[in-house]
Amino acid sequence: DAMVIQNPRYQVTQFGKPVTLSCSQTLNHNVMYWYQQKSSQAPKLLFHYYDKDFNNEADTPDNFQSRRPNTSFCFLDIRSPGLGDAAMYLCATRDPSSGSYNEQFFGPGTRLTVL
Amino acid sequence: AQSVTQLGSHVSVSEGALVLLRCNYSSSVPPYLFWYVQYPNQGLQLLLKYTSAATLVKGINGFEAEFKKSETSFHLTKPSAHMSDAAEYFCAVINPGFQKLVFGTGTRLLVSP
Repeated sequence: DAMVIQNPRYQVTQFGKPVTLSCSQTLNHNVMYWYQQKSSQAPKLLFHYYDKDFNNEADTPDNFQSRRPNTSFCFLDIRSPGLGDAAMYLCATRDPSSGSYNEQFFGPGTRLTVL
Repeated sequence: AQSVTQLGSHVSVSEGALVLLRCNYSSSVPPYLFWYVQYPNQGLQLLLKYTSAATLVKGINGFEAEFKKSETSFHLTKPSAHMSDAAEYFCAVINPGFQKLVFGTGTRLLVSP
């Protein structure tokens, strides 16, 4: 089945130690999103790619960066994780060619713990 | 700017009872609205979407929602709750031209036997 895959599902890192979360998709969608979701809150968009065009949200901290080496893969890099960065990180994709308002497809998420 | 408001952070129902989760939207243009469900430690799954084709939208797992322009609402309903419906539900509106989803704060549905 075509899908959005996130690895690992659970990630533990130490305060200040760089960490990378990965997302891959078999849907061949042009648009990929990274969200941060803290406990009992709605997902918060960090940035998205439209093909290789990177779009950063104005309030996304510089500590968060992303890479998209090809259509299928997208990475979230947290350069110096703080305790406040502990959250669920969700990757999503969208196919703009099938209509501007079609839905986003979400991966299962990576839960990040910062010690 | 588009926004959605979900009334009630928690809704409790008994198994077999009607489920009603409320969502009101604000939009300067005709909105495109979505309901997503999230189970613990999982991503978001689309339940249904409104894209102006029909005001009553049927989704997966027996859920449906009715778009009411006069009330600026898009409430989610299910005639008979099942234990497996216990989850977090998010209403969302897409921001035309910016291709971003704007989420409500979510409603946690609790289903008791």
